[in-house]
Amino acid sequence: NAGVTQTPKFQVLKTGQSMTLQCAQDMNHEYMSWYRQDPGMGLRLIHYSVGAGITDQGEVPNGYNVSRSTTEDFPLRLLSAAPSQTSVYFCASSPQGIYGYTFGSGTRLTVV
Amino acid sequence: GENVEQHPSTLSVQEGDSAVIKCTYSDSASNYFPWYKQELGKRPQLIIDIRSNVGEKKDQRIAVTLNKTAKHFSLHITETQPEDSAVYFCALRGGGNKLTFGTGTQLKVEL
Repeated sequence: NAGVTQTPKFQVLKTGQSMTLQCAQDMNHEYMSWYRQDPGMGLRLIHYSVGAGITDQGEVPNGYNVSRSTTEDFPLRLLSAAPSQTSVYFCASSPQGIYGYTFGSGTRLTVV
Repeated sequence: GENVEQHPSTLSVQEGDSAVIKCTYSDSASNYFPWYKQELGKRPQLIIDIRSNVGEKKDQRIAVTLNKTAKHFSLHITETQPEDSAVYFCALRGGGNKLTFGTGTQLKVEL
């Protein structure tokens, strides 16, 4: 049982490049979310999903796309990277209902 | 949408003292209030949570209290130890199943 797996752990992009951050969980969790963490700003919700085929925007969705074709996977796509997207990105999942999230180990992204 | 304010942003205590972190919120539909601990360079980890039908919950040296009328909840750590040093985040789940986080409290336990 690997929990929540994020890849890559580190990434450097040039401005304007696109990429996909991968997130997979093997706990059969319905809920999955993407957060970005910046110094002094806590964890801000980018996009979230309550089940396969269902996604919704969070607090800071601009510049990011998501899809949820399976229960296990929830990739985050950066369409055209900007320096403002330099951050640590966390994927998290939880069972349906009132439960806490389990977080992945994070992806540290730098956009130059 | 949900909004949660967390105070203080930094907290320094002597080993063995108690630490209290408080969060206030505005959405009365919020029904779940977890607390996370994040050590430097690590992922946030759930340490304790409380649901809206409970006023207090305790787990060894940590406890959480919830005042639904005043819309605030607090984390209490007693007999603090150096390994308690970390960033602590409050969070809440409101309508739409979104989990919203506070901005974090850097706790430092000094010897």
